[in-house]
Formats: sequence, C-alpha cells, structure tokens
Amino acid sequence: GDSVTQMEGPVTLSEEAFLTINCTYTATGYPSLFWYVQYPGEGLQLLLKATKADDKGSNKGFEATYRKETTSFHLEKGSVQVSDSAVYFCALIDNTDKLIFGTGTRLQVFP
Amino acid sequence: GAGVSQSPSNKVTEKGKDVELRCDPISGHTALYWYRQSLGQGLEFLIYFQGNSAPDKSGLPSDRFSAERTGGSVSTLTIQRTQQEDSAVYLCASSPSRSPETQYFGPGTRLLVL
Repeated sequence: GDSVTQMEGPVTLSEEAFLTINCTYTATGYPSLFWYVQYPGEGLQLLLKATKADDKGSNKGFEATYRKETTSFHLEKGSVQVSDSAVYFCALIDNTDKLIFGTGTRLQVFP
Repeated sequence: GAGVSQSPSNKVTEKGKDVELRCDPISGHTALYWYRQSLGQGLEFLIYFQGNSAPDKSGLPSDRFSAERTGGSVSTLTIQRTQQEDSAVYLCASSPSRSPETQYFGPGTRLLVL
C-alpha cells in the first residue's frame, strides 16, 4: 500500500537557521501531498499542499515542492523562529481517498 | 469559532477495562474520522463516518474497537478489554465535505493502559 517516510527527529536548530525536513513517498499514481503541523497542545492543522508534479506549496514561510522523479516532498524554511517549534507530518491521499501520514518529525528551535 | 473537541484529554485505565472516547465535531461537518497515533508511528486511520452512509471501518485493528456517531454529530470510540498496546493518542477530525484534505483535527485523547 501507499506509504510516507519522514526523517526522524528531533531536529534541533537555532533561531534563523535554515530548515529541511525530508519526506519521501511510495504510491500508485500521483497522489496529492501535504504537510501538517501540530503545535504543542493544539490539533493537527494543514500547513501546505501540492496536487501535481512540480507544484510548490507554501505557507508561513514554509515551502515544499512535489518532485515526481525522486518521489519527494521535502519541507523547507529559510529562517526558523522559536514559534515554529512543533511536530510536522508529511501525508498523501491514497487511492481509497484516505490520508496516509508519516511518523512525524519534531522540530525544536532555540533562541 | 469552536473547533473539534475531544474528551477526556487524558485517560489512564487498567488492562482489561473498557474505555469510551468522545469527539464533538464542528457543527455542520458531515464527515468524521478517528485516527490513532502510537509512539513512533504515524497517524493510523481507524474509522470514517460520512453523513448517513455506512461507516468505513477498514482501519479498526480488532473487534475490541468500535465507534458510533449519534445524530450525525457527536462520536464515541469504544475500546473493550483494553490492552497495553492500545496506549496511544486518539485523534478525531471532522470535515465539511468528502475531501479528506479539508479535515479539522481535535487535540486528541491520550490513553494510557497500565
């Protein structure tokens, strides 16, 4: 079945550092891809998405590009803030219309 | 406005006991999902309700797990004869449409089975 693989955390960075969280997927066809974020004490929320190859999703300074050739959807941000500390989940919609999530990557940003 | 709420936020129980977890979706949302997040695992789909249609139970891990949704609103996930491997965070999400990407998630219930 379809699956998502994310880099293990935690990722620990200083404020204003560059962030990359790797995500690769295995799927039949070309699924829509997503990044969700879970801030401490809050529910999971959609951060960004891309629906076809070469699309770039962006929100709150975060970006991810749908790379068909490498089956990847890596999350990047040029300058992280303490407030970005959270758990980030990569996900796809499979051919039964269900969201399939990765294991999540915890990001810790220190001032 | 009010988001998805879940109760209790934390639950500690003894092995073999039954537990009920509650989800209050956003008013008017026709779709409701339950997920489980075990330590080191991604979110695992459990069950999906859409309007008055029969629920998609394909993700329930065993017959000890069941869920119902009364009146198209509140949902209860019941775990009978709990086991230690049931310890996890149980997340509920609701959506105004059939599209899974429009889900709004609750804060979860953290279940610990001793």
